Amino acid sequence: LAKTTQPISMDSYEGQEVNITCSHNNIATNDYITWYQQFPSQGPRFIIQGYKTKVTNEVASLFIPADRKSSTLSLPRVSLSDTAVYYCLVARGTHNYGQNFVFGPGTRLSVLP
Amino acid sequence: GAGVSQSPSNKVTEKGKDVELRCDPISGHTALYWYRQRLGQGLEFLIYFQGNSAPDKSGLPSDRFSAERTGESVSTLTIQRTQQEDSAVYLCASSTRISSGLNTEAFFGQGTRLTVV
Repeated sequence: LAKTTQPISMDSYEGQEVNITCSHNNIATNDYITWYQQFPSQGPRFIIQGYKTKVTNEVASLFIPADRKSSTLSLPRVSLSDTAVYYCLVARGTHNYGQNFVFGPGTRLSVLP
Repeated sequence: GAGVSQSPSNKVTEKGKDVELRCDPISGHTALYWYRQRLGQGLEFLIYFQGNSAPDKSGLPSDRFSAERTGESVSTLTIQRTQQEDSAVYLCASSTRISSGLNTEAFFGQGTRLTVV
């Protein structure tokens, strides 16, 4: 299973765009990249998932270069409520695979006023 | 139910006692996961159930930990002879069967906060 590396923490100010990059150098052909968000005292929540190029939803954008060895989660115009831990996961696109949802330490984003 | 439900939400137990934690997944979700999260740390994978297949127990930290699931319904995580280092939030998640080529998202419960004193 591809190991992921992301910054331990980041600070930002309200209204700024935040980009969190995750490295996954040994990603396999059938692996997908997924990001989760976790607020204090809550379970993680799915944000976005992608395989290659760019994916955008109402919450975030995910940029994946052609070699897929990294990915960048982009949060536009963050607010104080975006303060959370963000997890990057690389998961295999097959069933019966418990290690599909193995979370690293994540990136603790602090949004300041 | 509308989401993944875990009970109890909080549990305080004495060292050496056994505890049972319960998870009700979203109806129709065949996959169920248990995680442990210590204060200020990331999620630690414990065990994974997928339908009637043999569970993936590779994350269980010791033989004091066990989990059961009947079919595609409720799961219980049991910790025997609890130790202080077992104090953590135990999170359960469920997802639909992962179809070929696409990994589906996991839905998490609020967790059970276990404190061993």
